Amino acid sequence: DIQMTQSPSPLSASVGDRVTITCRASQSISNYLNWYQQKPGKAPKLLIYAASSLQSGVPSRFSGSGSGTDFTLTISSLQPEDFATYYCQHSYSTPYTFGQGTKLDIK
Amino acid sequence: QVQLVQSGAEMKKPGASVRVSCMASGYTFTDYYIHWVRQAPGQGLEWMGWINPNSGGTKYAQKILGRVTMTRDTSINTAYMDLSRLRSDDTAVYFCARFYSSGWSLDYWGQGTLVTVSP
Repeated sequence: DIQMTQSPSPLSASVGDRVTITCRASQSISNYLNWYQQKPGKAPKLLIYAASSLQSGVPSRFSGSGSGTDFTLTISSLQPEDFATYYCQHSYSTPYTFGQGTKLDIK
Repeated sequence: QVQLVQSGAEMKKPGASVRVSCMASGYTFTDYYIHWVRQAPGQGLEWMGWINPNSGGTKYAQKILGRVTMTRDTSINTAYMDLSRLRSDDTAVYFCARFYSSGWSLDYWGQGTLVTVSP
């Protein structure tokens, strides 16, 4: 199985900050990498698919990059509603494992 | 609009079985795989498997193989996840999600169903 490792965890930041979350796969997954945001008591929400494609309706301050084994999610200017937990997930081969999550909280 | 609506919370005893349903609307049910993901209290997301609503074909995570069955009823646009021989560590919120094949991602999610396993 492919293991996904996120860093940092947790992450403290302030409104207006630029933040980057990293996700590393245990083997190459090409660009089969997705990012989700989850708020307490809610279902995850798709932000980025195929490593760098912005899901419809997601603000442009979110961006993704990477290929192979190393990927990043960047939020260019944190807004209050962005404080949440972020998960990466690969879809290269089953099982489609998730990273352990990065909780982004207010500094 | 696309919606996935799941059944309500369940409380079960160890050794019992549970069925969670996921009713789809707003799109052609048989055109998109349905995946199931669970989340234990305070923990991360765990992928469980998928079902192809068109063919009924399935793929399960090794960890729950032999205890999980995913089925569908195309007449009512509903997918089901059955989990048997429940243990306390099966206590979790169970989510269904639609698999967007063009993006190889889970683009719409159900609201989640809490399954509690307790004596």
